[in-house]
Amino acid sequence: GQNIDQPTEMTATEGAIVQINCTYQTSGFNGLFWYQQHAGEAPTFLSYNVLDGLEEKGRFSSFLSRSKGYSYLLLKELQMKDSASYLCAVRWGAAGNKLTFGGGTRVLVKP
Amino acid sequence: EPEVTQTPSHQVTQMGQEVILRCVPISNHLYFYWYRQILGQKVEFLVSFYNNEISEKSEIFDDQFSVERPDGSNFTLKIRSTKLEDSAMYFCASSALVTGGYEQYFGPGTRLTVT
Repeated sequence: GQNIDQPTEMTATEGAIVQINCTYQTSGFNGLFWYQQHAGEAPTFLSYNVLDGLEEKGRFSSFLSRSKGYSYLLLKELQMKDSASYLCAVRWGAAGNKLTFGGGTRVLVKP
Repeated sequence: EPEVTQTPSHQVTQMGQEVILRCVPISNHLYFYWYRQILGQKVEFLVSFYNNEISEKSEIFDDQFSVERPDGSNFTLKIRSTKLEDSAMYFCASSALVTGGYEQYFGPGTRLTVT
């Protein structure tokens, strides 16, 4: 089966940096996604990692280590609108078309 | 910017009734998905669909569920005999899956309430 762990909640100050860790145990790993989800809304795509290393996209960066089953999402220059849940999701399956989500990390940005 | 659309936004039905949830994926995308999210819980994969057939499905996607692409634009999820525990937000998603375009874009969801 698939097992994905991420912290339940984190609090940070506006303008600061926050790192959200995700560890996974899965068979047939094909890649890892990070999504943002505001309460009552659909997940929105942030990043996708398939190879080891860091992917940077503006204020957001995502890192993957396949050998360690570990990823993190780095949010820089936090803004109030970044208060949301951040979902780690692993792509797997025979055709690589299954996506298993972690429980999400709720980030609260304080002024 | 192209987006995935879903109708209706909210569906209320009685236990045992059939419901059809509708989605219009992004027009040049090739893969389509359904997910559900029970209130306060994680997003769960139901099914993926490619080339007019199911590509993969989860244990949740049992015989009461079916998917269809009735025409060139719509993608539907049918629940034959709804149960109380089917109450959830149902998200449709699509992806291009061409030259690394694996990002799945989610629609706004249909909130299904079974009474």
